[in-house]
Amino acid sequence: KAGVTQTPRYLIKTRGQQVTLSCSPISGHRSVSWYQQTPGQGLQFLFEYFSETQRNKGNFPGRFSGRQFSNSRSEMNVSTLELGDSALYLCASNSVSSYNEQFFGPGTRLTVL
Amino acid sequence: ILNVEQSPQSLHVQEGDSTNFTCSFPSSNFYALHWYRWETAKSPEALFVMTLNGDEKKKGRISATLNTKEGYSYLYIKGSQPEDSATYLCAPNNNDMRFGAGTRLTVKP
Repeated sequence: KAGVTQTPRYLIKTRGQQVTLSCSPISGHRSVSWYQQTPGQGLQFLFEYFSETQRNKGNFPGRFSGRQFSNSRSEMNVSTLELGDSALYLCASNSVSSYNEQFFGPGTRLTVL
Repeated sequence: ILNVEQSPQSLHVQEGDSTNFTCSFPSSNFYALHWYRWETAKSPEALFVMTLNGDEKKKGRISATLNTKEGYSYLYIKGSQPEDSATYLCAPNNNDMRFGAGTRLTVKP
């Protein structure tokens, strides 16, 4: 069973640009969650998608958005990048059958210059 | 939104020491609690999912207990080894999953 894949793995952008990150969950999982991790911080919840619908949203500005496609692949977009957006962005594939146990992808390391 | 607290923030122990850390969370509307282990340069990996008050789970030298009435869970590591060095995260699962900031464990040989 293939794991969670995230692309790209590394990304360098400049302030003001926008970025799109992609996540493919485990086959059969219909729920995907996104997290941001910055130095010294834990995992900050961004949002969760289930069957193409945003089910939960964390406390992030509107510059952070996401979507999910019919094949459960998900994208997150950050517009008008700021230096503080530099972080590791993790995607998790959620197993509804196991109390929402999450299987994490390798992450995308975003650096904003 | 759940307020999840983990303590201590970091811990340095010698190889062979046993150690434990705490996850505390609001006890209302409890559904499940997850423990994850996050090694540097890897992705978080699930250790345990716990659902019932009084639950105890064990995997090798690592075990965990759960008290849903008072809102805490303990993670124990017996005879720590350098390969146990990682950040240990807890995540109570209510309607969504919110992670604590983690306990960073360093085991010195």
